Amino acid sequence: DSGVTQTPKHLITATGQRVTLRCSPRSGDLSVYWYQQSLDQGLQFLIHYYNGEERAKGNILERFSAQQFPDLHSELNLSSLELGDSALYFCASSPQVSNSPLHFGNGTRLTVT
Amino acid sequence: QQQVKQSPQSLIVQKGGISIINCAYENTAFDYFPWYQQFPGKGPALLIAIRPDVSEKKEGRFTISFNKSAKQFSLHIMDSQPGDSATYFCAASTTSGTYKYIFGTGTRLKVLA
Repeated sequence: DSGVTQTPKHLITATGQRVTLRCSPRSGDLSVYWYQQSLDQGLQFLIHYYNGEERAKGNILERFSAQQFPDLHSELNLSSLELGDSALYFCASSPQVSNSPLHFGNGTRLTVT
Repeated sequence: QQQVKQSPQSLIVQKGGISIINCAYENTAFDYFPWYQQFPGKGPALLIAIRPDVSEKKEGRFTISFNKSAKQFSLHIMDSQPGDSATYFCAASTTSGTYKYIFGTGTRLKVLA
């Protein structure tokens, strides 16, 4: 158990809808990362937060947004969903912003129909 | 320049054999090179990591070889076991400039009993 909790585990929704994915990092970890993993694809970096502030953005669509709250949990909001957004979304946390191991949750599987 | 190229995409090895996975990067600012192991239905978990001040790091049956001049690093799994069957991701990160933690596309390893 990595200590990172992601909810929900599965999410099925229709095109055009909006969903929110939630991540609770390991106790004491200040950094939260979001990644998208499509079928047979690698881990696409979406966004990184450190102690409530956005630190880096990857290939995150404008329809997607995220935030990290004062209690350090993070939410990834996906709107105007398209079929191609169907993927596994992972959250990972680490204690600091510098190079260190990431601890991943077990992901949220999003299916857009 | 932010990419990490990983090969092969898939690998089949006999039990007891050596599994070798390679990665290459462009950005010379990368200064932390971890490998992650992912089993189906789970998030990736850190296996072993190296920093560019050393050329090799060994932990049990897992070894990272690092070639700074060639901008390449590889994972060697000695005495491969069926339990090693998983997807392996290399990654690279840097604290220089906009901090990012970039993953390779993954290698699906199958070890035959």
